[in-house]
This record gives sequence, C-alpha cells and structure tokens, in this order.
Amino acid sequence: AQTVTQSQPEMSVQEAETVTLSCTYDTSESDYYLFWYKQPPSRQMILVIRQEAYKQQNATENRFSVNFQKAAKSFSLKISDSQLGDAAMYFCAYWSDSNYQLIWGAGTKLIIKP
Amino acid sequence: NAGVTQTPKFRILKIGQSMTLQCAQDMNHNYMYWYRQDPGMGLKLIYYSVGAGITDKGEVPNGYNVSRSTTEDFPLRLELAAPSQTSVYFCASSFRTSNEQFFGPGTRLTVL
Repeated sequence: AQTVTQSQPEMSVQEAETVTLSCTYDTSESDYYLFWYKQPPSRQMILVIRQEAYKQQNATENRFSVNFQKAAKSFSLKISDSQLGDAAMYFCAYWSDSNYQLIWGAGTKLIIKP
Repeated sequence: NAGVTQTPKFRILKIGQSMTLQCAQDMNHNYMYWYRQDPGMGLKLIYYSVGAGITDKGEVPNGYNVSRSTTEDFPLRLELAAPSQTSVYFCASSFRTSNEQFFGPGTRLTVL
C-alpha cells in the first residue's frame, strides 16, 4: 500500500526567508499525482501545488515550487520570501488510479517569525 | 459560486445519538468525498462518490453511511455516535479524481 511520510512535524522560518518542507512516499506505481495542500488556522484546506509524475519539470506557483525526485520518491516544497500568511499546516498527498483516493501525510506545521 | 458548503460548523453529540452532516457543491463536480481529520493527523477517507447514485467505501467507513441522490449533495450519516468519532469532518469535490479537490470549511464534531 502507498504511504506518505512528512518527517518534520514543525518548521519555523524568518519572514522573507526560504524554507523547504520534506515529503517522501512509497509506491510501486509509475503514474501518479502529488499534491501539497495548505491548512491555515481557519481550517480551510487549500491546494498549493500539484505535480504529475510523468512530467520531469518541477511544478511552480509564484513563491511555491517543488523538488520532485521520482527515483528517490521525494517531493519537497520550497517556499520563497516567506510571508506571515504562509503560517499553516502543510500536507503532502499522493493519488493514483489504483487507489482512487488521496493518501495523506501527517502534516508539517510552518511557523513564520516576524 | 459558493464552492463546497458544509453544515453545521460545530456539533456536540451524546453517545448513541445520530446525526447527518450536510455537504453541497455548486461546481457540477461528479466526484465527492468525505474525510475525517483527527488531531495531528492527515485526512482519512470515509466514503466517496463518483456520481449520483454511486458511492463506495474509503479507508475508515465503519459507523458511517452516505447517499448521493443528486450531483450537488452528499450527506454523511452517523449512526449511534461513539467517542471515537470525535473529529473534524471535511467534504470535498473534484472534476476528475486526479484533479484538485475543493474542500468545504469542515465540521467539528464532539461525541461525549
């Protein structure tokens, strides 16, 4: 069965600095999708970025980018120029055809220091 | 567009009571999902639906039931509430299963 591991329960970063959140996953499949979701204190779950496994190019969305290492089964999220509004729980998730459901990591709490 | 709406936002139940969590979406998505989120954990799928009249179990379906009579609505029924069902419940929908899921604001349920 597929699993998703986020090894950092909590991370902190100074405002305007860069931080990287780690995510590793275990799968024997070659075709799948990976996601990073953000959950601020409001509890609303918001998509940050999505990566298709067959695409070698790393996905980017403004200040958010991923480092997708398919062979290493690693999918880290880099947040550049951190802002106070980035403070949230960040969840990594995996989806494939065989599961028909998202498999979620336990999350990383990101603290932004002003 | 209201997106995905959920009611109620908060609820306290006594052991053995039943209730229905409501979920609706106005994006014409075929796929809808119910998750629970326990403290310090990621989301776990309870049930999902691929269209009106079609539902299937997720990872943690015991103690819950769903129905999908319309594309828009996907209610979750809790029968005989137990303390283990204390959690935050999220409803979500998507255009395709591999696409972004849009989430409702969640329902915090406490069973005492």
